[in-house]
Amino acid sequence: ETGVTQTPRHLVMGMTNKKSLKCEQHLGHNAMYWYKQSAKKPLELMFVYSLEERVENNSVPSRFSPECPNSSHLFLHLHTLQPEDSALYLCASSQRPGPLAPGANVLTFGAGSRLTVL
Amino acid sequence: GESVGLHLPTLSVQEGDNSIINCAYSNSASDYFIWYKQESGKGPQFIIDIRSNMDKRQGQRVTVLLNKTVKHLSLQIAATQPGDSAVYFCAENMTPSPLYTGANSKLTFGKGITLSVRP
Repeated sequence: ETGVTQTPRHLVMGMTNKKSLKCEQHLGHNAMYWYKQSAKKPLELMFVYSLEERVENNSVPSRFSPECPNSSHLFLHLHTLQPEDSALYLCASSQRPGPLAPGANVLTFGAGSRLTVL
Repeated sequence: GESVGLHLPTLSVQEGDNSIINCAYSNSASDYFIWYKQESGKGPQFIIDIRSNMDKRQGQRVTVLLNKTVKHLSLQIAATQPGDSAVYFCAENMTPSPLYTGANSKLTFGKGITLSVRP
């Protein structure tokens, strides 16, 4: 148990479906992230939320829509995806840097949601 | 452009031997480095980190070495065990200005290297 829980662990969807990935962290962190992990490619940062405010959107197509209703929950809404969107989607959380704790902080990852788009 | 890379895609070691996984980075402004381990079916797990004001840091059976002169990072695993078989990622981060109150959006990951431990 890493403290970051992702559901579902596996998802198969057609290109016209609408689905959502869910992430929940139990670590008291105040920053949450979505990463995409494809075969033979580095982890790609998609979105960053800090105190429920989106602070980064790395040129992700609009068919991916994140939502962060509170500091413990993060969603990734999916619609009209393409087969090349098939990948492992990883959620992570961390403490955000602040005046008393400058610099980077360790990310804690969930186990990921394996998405297959047919 | 800036990148973080690993020299070899796979590494095979005998159980009990020491393992050394190497990583090159190109952003001289990076000041924080992390090693992650990802086992099959799991997300990346933190192993050890090091800040740029250090050149060596030790954990339990693991040591990270940082050579800023040649922008090189390595992870040493002592007495490698079958449970060490996984994909290992190095990551670098450039700390934003002290006034930045966002999150770790500058963390850049390498592609990963597979460590295979032979019994």
